[in-house]
Amino acid sequence: AQSVTQLGSHVSVSEGALVLLRCNYSSSVPPYLFWYVQYPNQGLQLLLKYTTGATLVKGINGFEAEFKKSETSFHLTKPSAHMSDAAEYFCAAHSGNTPLVFGKGTRLSVIA
Amino acid sequence: GAVVSQHPSWVICKSGTSVKIECRSLDFQATTMFWYRQFPKQSLMLMATSNEGSKATYEQGVEKDKFLINHASLTLSTLTVTSAHPEDSSFYICSAPGPNGYEQYFGPGTRLTVT
Repeated sequence: AQSVTQLGSHVSVSEGALVLLRCNYSSSVPPYLFWYVQYPNQGLQLLLKYTTGATLVKGINGFEAEFKKSETSFHLTKPSAHMSDAAEYFCAAHSGNTPLVFGKGTRLSVIA
Repeated sequence: GAVVSQHPSWVICKSGTSVKIECRSLDFQATTMFWYRQFPKQSLMLMATSNEGSKATYEQGVEKDKFLINHASLTLSTLTVTSAHPEDSSFYICSAPGPNGYEQYFGPGTRLTVT
């Protein structure tokens, strides 16, 4: 069964600092991997996805993630945090036409 | 891109009443849709898989008689919360696999408050 682990329920960074949100997956087959952002009282917004091909994936708002099969990881990064990046971030995975399995989420705080 | 809508976006109902939430794929057909529930400060948890033309598949611990799912057409799935109680208050989100088969498209969610 698919599972997704997000290390750190809360990450706090200074404005302008590097953002690193960690995600590991457990799967017997390489999954499709996603990062979503959720602002308070809103739905999910897709940041980026990995399906096949290039392992470094660029998304919206300056975010990117690298699929590392050997580490079963899909960590999300952004070189320079902005106040507007403060939100809840979810890593998710599935292996085909199946429901997404979500990590528990990481709340990102950005300090001025 | 593929768009999924939900209606209503928020609803307040009294304890003991039923509430219906609609999930529509606007520009593509979806033989399968997924219903998730999200409690405050928690992640999304899959409730059930809605299948057009057949019965829904419920996750363990989800009462199928309380959360009625009907996949009426290739673009519409409905979730009815029957005899709602305050503990059913939550954010309900639907999704549907898009035409490419790997990306899922989420509705904007429905905030249910049971008083």
